[in-house]
Amino acid sequence: AQSVTQPDIHITVSEGASLELRCNYSYGATPYLFWYVQSPGQGLQLLLKYFSGDTLVQGIKGFEAEFKRSQSSFNLRKPSVHWSDAAEYFCAVHTGTASKLTFGTGTRLQVTL
Amino acid sequence: DSGVTQTPKHLITATGQRVTLRCSPRSGDLSVYWYQQSLDQGLQFLIQYYNGEERAKGNILERFSAQQFPDLHSELNLSSLELGDSALYFCASSVMSGPTNEQFFGPGTRLTVL
Repeated sequence: AQSVTQPDIHITVSEGASLELRCNYSYGATPYLFWYVQSPGQGLQLLLKYFSGDTLVQGIKGFEAEFKRSQSSFNLRKPSVHWSDAAEYFCAVHTGTASKLTFGTGTRLQVTL
Repeated sequence: DSGVTQTPKHLITATGQRVTLRCSPRSGDLSVYWYQQSLDQGLQFLIQYYNGEERAKGNILERFSAQQFPDLHSELNLSSLELGDSALYFCASSVMSGPTNEQFFGPGTRLTVL
């Protein structure tokens, strides 16, 4: 069965610093990969997605992610973090055989000023 | 605002009770998904409906059931509630079914079982 691992439960970065959130997936074929963000008391908002093609995908709010098949990874990056980026970030995989998203456990991002 | 609405926002009830959570998908979306977010289990897929028909089932307990009505809104019924059912329940919707259809999430219903 497909699974998603987010090894970092909590990350703290300074405002203006770069950010990388890790995501590893387990699935035999090429998965459909997503990053969502959840702000306190809010639902989930899609940041970006990868289906096929260019392995570097751009998303909203200045985020990007790179799909690396050899490492089964889909890490999320941002060159300069803003205080408003503090939130919980979820990586998810959607496999073609099942109409559901499987989420990782999430990474809580704290931004210090 | 995703366009997906969920009511109520908060629900507090007692063990053994039954509750109904309601979801209105975005206009034009045929597919509705229910997810549960709890501290123990994280975010888990419960069930999906597409145009009134059950399409996929996840880790949904037998005490839980859902349906999608002709106007495409959906309800999630939780019965014989236990303390462990306390969680945030999200509804999401998409135009069609399948992985390339972005799921838009509602703000959630926070259920507290006392």
